[in-house]
Amino acid sequence: DVKVTQSSRYLVKRTGEKVFLECVQDMDHENMFWYRQDPGLGLRLIYFSYDVKMKEKGDIPEGYSVSREKKERFSLILESASTNQTSMYLCATGGGTGPQHFGDGTRLSIL
Amino acid sequence: GENVEQHPSTLSVQEGDSAVIKCTYSDSASNYFPWYKQELGKGPQLIIDIRSNVGEKKDQRIAVTLNKTAKHFSLHITETQPEDSAVYFCAASKRDTGRRALTFGSGTRLQVQP
Repeated sequence: DVKVTQSSRYLVKRTGEKVFLECVQDMDHENMFWYRQDPGLGLRLIYFSYDVKMKEKGDIPEGYSVSREKKERFSLILESASTNQTSMYLCATGGGTGPQHFGDGTRLSIL
Repeated sequence: GENVEQHPSTLSVQEGDSAVIKCTYSDSASNYFPWYKQELGKGPQLIIDIRSNVGEKKDQRIAVTLNKTAKHFSLHITETQPEDSAVYFCAASKRDTGRRALTFGSGTRLQVQP
């Protein structure tokens, strides 16, 4: 089974802090994704990466950056957290022509 | 870009009844349509997917139909059970781009009443 592990289930940070969300996968998938989930809006793509050190902006990249130094790890960075970034963050991976597999999410609260 | 609309936002059925969730997409180049189920406290789990060269796909109590001309696809759950209660998301992508970024619908909360 594909395992996608997000480092924290719940996280509380203050406005202005730099926040790191980590995602690790064990299936050697080349594609990794970060989504944000908000009620009534579904999942929206923030950034994705299809190779080490490669990244592509998704639909809502403003206020976020990413890092992919190793194939199995994809980090989402909130450069200066704001209250409107309070949300559920979901990491996903995909390989070849296979489907995307999701982690269980990090619920982030910015106070 | 792609836009996916999903209806209804909430659906309540009696155990044993059928449930149908509908999605429309805007980009005629989209050719891959997965459905995900999200239970409380969990990430979305793929339950079925369909490619644009197929009109219907079935897996036990779950089926998905695709109408490329009308650009809509539907999830059908028969003989619903309480454990089917969850939030369901449809999605679309241009699978052949190699990027496989999905565009999701806004979700349907299904409640199966015992």
